[in-house]
Amino acid sequence: GEDVEQSLFLSVREGDSSVINCTYTDSSSTYLYWYKQEPGAGLQLLTYIFSNMDMKQDQRLTVLLNKKDKHLSLRIADTQTGDSAIYFCAQAKGGGNKLTFGTGTQLKVEL
Amino acid sequence: EAGVAQSPRYKIIEKRQSVAFWCNPISGHATLYWYQQILGQGPKLLIQFQNNGVVDDSQLPKDRFSAERLKGVDSTLKIQPAKLEDSAVYLCASSPQGSEQYFGPGTRLTVT
Repeated sequence: GEDVEQSLFLSVREGDSSVINCTYTDSSSTYLYWYKQEPGAGLQLLTYIFSNMDMKQDQRLTVLLNKKDKHLSLRIADTQTGDSAIYFCAQAKGGGNKLTFGTGTQLKVEL
Repeated sequence: EAGVAQSPRYKIIEKRQSVAFWCNPISGHATLYWYQQILGQGPKLLIQFQNNGVVDDSQLPKDRFSAERLKGVDSTLKIQPAKLEDSAVYLCASSPQGSEQYFGPGTRLTVT
């Protein structure tokens, strides 16, 4: 199976919270990342979490890591229309920080 | 601080032709990556450089793809000859030593 899995779509109303989930297979991952990709653009680094942490908060973003279940989530509080994009989680493997990406979750924010 | 620059942004070629992409990483970033992103998928690493040396090219189709990073700064990725399945966005990323990666806008390649 894929190293990193994500659900394909998520639709939320503006102002609600969004939760994007990701599962990974490599328990030796050192860092786990969330990237945002808007149409026609490259990937924008949103946040990352070190594998010895359970939670990281950065303004409207909260990352939760469950190492036992190899589950990562990204919560976006007060979701805005500008948050509409594809969100990728990625795990870093090896000393060279090689990233393995999920297939991406398309977030649609409705008014 | 300027981001990762890539050119061209778009390229359309016929199969069996050659194409080259250019990347200028963020100043001072020792590590440079090339990724291939096929429509509807996440990026997949093609090659990783540390300064001007190759760290990982295990996923690079070496019969048709080549890459170099002369002088440890700019990099070029070449495809010769191109196939239909090479249609994708080619992303360049750079990072300081072994930490978070910053991506350029990508080059969208269409092979007809």
